[in-house]
Amino acid sequence: DIQMTQSPSSLSASVGDRVTITCRASQSVTTYLNWYQQKPGKAPKFLVYSASSLQSGVPSRFSGSGSGTDFTLTISSLQPEDFATYYCQQSYSTPYTFGQGTKLEIK
Amino acid sequence: QLQLQESGPGLVKPSETLSLTCTVSGDSISSSNYYWGWIRQPPGKGLEWIGSIYYSGSSYYNPSLKSRVTISVDTSKTQFSLKLSSVTATDTAVYYCARHNYYSSNCLDYWGQGTRVTVSS
Repeated sequence: DIQMTQSPSSLSASVGDRVTITCRASQSVTTYLNWYQQKPGKAPKFLVYSASSLQSGVPSRFSGSGSGTDFTLTISSLQPEDFATYYCQQSYSTPYTFGQGTKLEIK
Repeated sequence: QLQLQESGPGLVKPSETLSLTCTVSGDSISSSNYYWGWIRQPPGKGLEWIGSIYYSGSSYYNPSLKSRVTISVDTSKTQFSLKLSSVTATDTAVYYCARHNYYSSNCLDYWGQGTRVTVSS
């Protein structure tokens, strides 16, 4: 199985801050890397596919980058609605695997 | 607008079989561009992919669950289903159904709202 490791596991930030979440794969997943946002009691919401392609309707303050084993999700200017847990997921090979999540909290 | 809705019992006894159905509306379940998956999330924990199925019936399972999982599809009813046998308390989780988009790196682009399943006697 491909292991996905996110860092940090939790992060405190303020509205307007720029934040970056890192995801590392245990082997290359090329660009088969997706990002999701989950708020408490809700289903995950799909944000980014193919490492850097933004899903339609996702604000442009979100961006993804990387290839191979190292990936990042950046939020350029945090908004109140962005405080949530973020997951990366590799879809290169089955079993598809998720990172453990990064909880983004208000400072 | 595509919608997915999970249904099934919220309480299952240990050693019994968990059975859930996902009903797809707003689009065809038979498109070759998409396939359909189940994901679960134990309380307070992360996401785990259980398995996925194409409309043709070809399926892929997580090896950690493979011996206990069956996913099937009924295109006439636009539904796909999950059966997980011999459940224990560790199978307590919110279960989500979702759509994989083959042309967007197999991402899970639409999700159901999730259904909470508790394994307890």
